[in-house]
Amino acid sequence: ETGVTQTPRHLVMGMTNKKSLKCEQHLGHNAMYWYKQSAKKPLELMFVYNFKEQTENNSVPSRFSPECPNSSHLFLHLHTLQPEDSALYLCASSQDGTRRADEQFFGPGTRLTVL
Amino acid sequence: GDSVTQMEGPVTLSEEACLTINCTYTATGYPSLFWYVQYPGEGLQLLLKATKADDKGSNKGFEATYRKETTSFHLEKGSVQVSDSAVYFCALGTNAGKSTFGDGTTLTVKP
Repeated sequence: ETGVTQTPRHLVMGMTNKKSLKCEQHLGHNAMYWYKQSAKKPLELMFVYNFKEQTENNSVPSRFSPECPNSSHLFLHLHTLQPEDSALYLCASSQDGTRRADEQFFGPGTRLTVL
Repeated sequence: GDSVTQMEGPVTLSEEACLTINCTYTATGYPSLFWYVQYPGEGLQLLLKATKADDKGSNKGFEATYRKETTSFHLEKGSVQVSDSAVYFCALGTNAGKSTFGDGTTLTVKP
């Protein structure tokens, strides 16, 4: 595997389910990100981890819980979601989350549908 | 706070037409500027970037110049192809580690 991978690619869940999204980067980067992309809305940054430490939580509801066990893996644990949480969830990584010149490398996303 | 404003879409062009997608920004300090492209069913990927004033980023026939005096980073291509149909995002990055993205501009190129 190369680049940034995300699993699953598609997920349908009920409002009472608990599920997790997984992201893995094979680039040796130290920063990882979760974004939410909804139809007709701007890209929303949710969480940032730099060297495994959470450095940004952009007022995300507690029903979304991130976990970063090491610099290569990032999870987003989901529970008691609402239909408006249906969106494409994108994971990204960059070499160092504090350097302005570093571009981000994105995974293909997980398309989440909440029924 | 930092912000990016880019041209509203959607933009529809015929093949071989010229493309310009406007992008202006507001930031403290000296940000780096990026254009990302998102093809259907995929994540974003870097198209080009510029890290200081007057730098020109280029890739796949696309160009953008970092204009500090007008706080702009407009994306241009002289002759678009059907395969360029995608959503284009302008973004800035700062030393605080934050990236700010524009709303995205959808480009459709017709044969």
